[in-house]
Amino acid sequence: DGGITQSPKYLFRKEGQNVTLSCEQNLNHDAMYWYRQDPGQGLRLIYYSQIVNDFQKGDIAEGYSVSREKKESFPLTVTSAQKNPTAFYLCASSIDDWSSYNSPLHFGNGTRLTVT
Amino acid sequence: RKEVEQDPGPFNVPEGATVAFNCTYSNSASQSFFWYRQDCRKEPKLLMSVYSSGNEDGRFTAQLNRASQYISLLIRDSKLSDSATYLCVVTTGAGSYQLTFGKGTKLSVIP
Repeated sequence: DGGITQSPKYLFRKEGQNVTLSCEQNLNHDAMYWYRQDPGQGLRLIYYSQIVNDFQKGDIAEGYSVSREKKESFPLTVTSAQKNPTAFYLCASSIDDWSSYNSPLHFGNGTRLTVT
Repeated sequence: RKEVEQDPGPFNVPEGATVAFNCTYSNSASQSFFWYRQDCRKEPKLLMSVYSSGNEDGRFTAQLNRASQYISLLIRDSKLSDSATYLCVVTTGAGSYQLTFGKGTKLSVIP
């Protein structure tokens, strides 16, 4: 079955360390996204990529970095510059036809990052 | 005014009840509307898109009111398995990166 896989499900890191979250999809979607969710908050867009080797900052990109070397993969690095990294991180993908307004997102099962 | 607003709830309803959620959006140029469902500590999953004429999927009915800038979700004959947080999502342009998520409305269906 096609889908999006995030790993690991839970991640614990010490403050000051960079950490990379994995996201792989086999849906053949062009577009991929990273969101962050904090308790009681809506999802906030960190970075998105509409095509291989290209990505754009979202609303809260500071302290994060991404790469898109392959269509299937969109890893997110949480750097030590991110002030409040503890959160639930969600990767998503969509068909994202530029002419389409109806491209719902398909989410991975998330990575819960705790930094102490 | 926040871009997408939802009543956070929680809505505690008995099994079999009918429950309705509203969601207001501030951008009159918004084009597409969705309801997602999110179970506790899980990822959001698409419940249904919302079309201009309204649409129904089994026990779920979605409506759009462009003049008043709100969408609604009606759940009939609530089941215990409907307990979740329901997220309202609005797009403001082409491309899914222009999605804005509401904070969600929590529903608990009690036996």
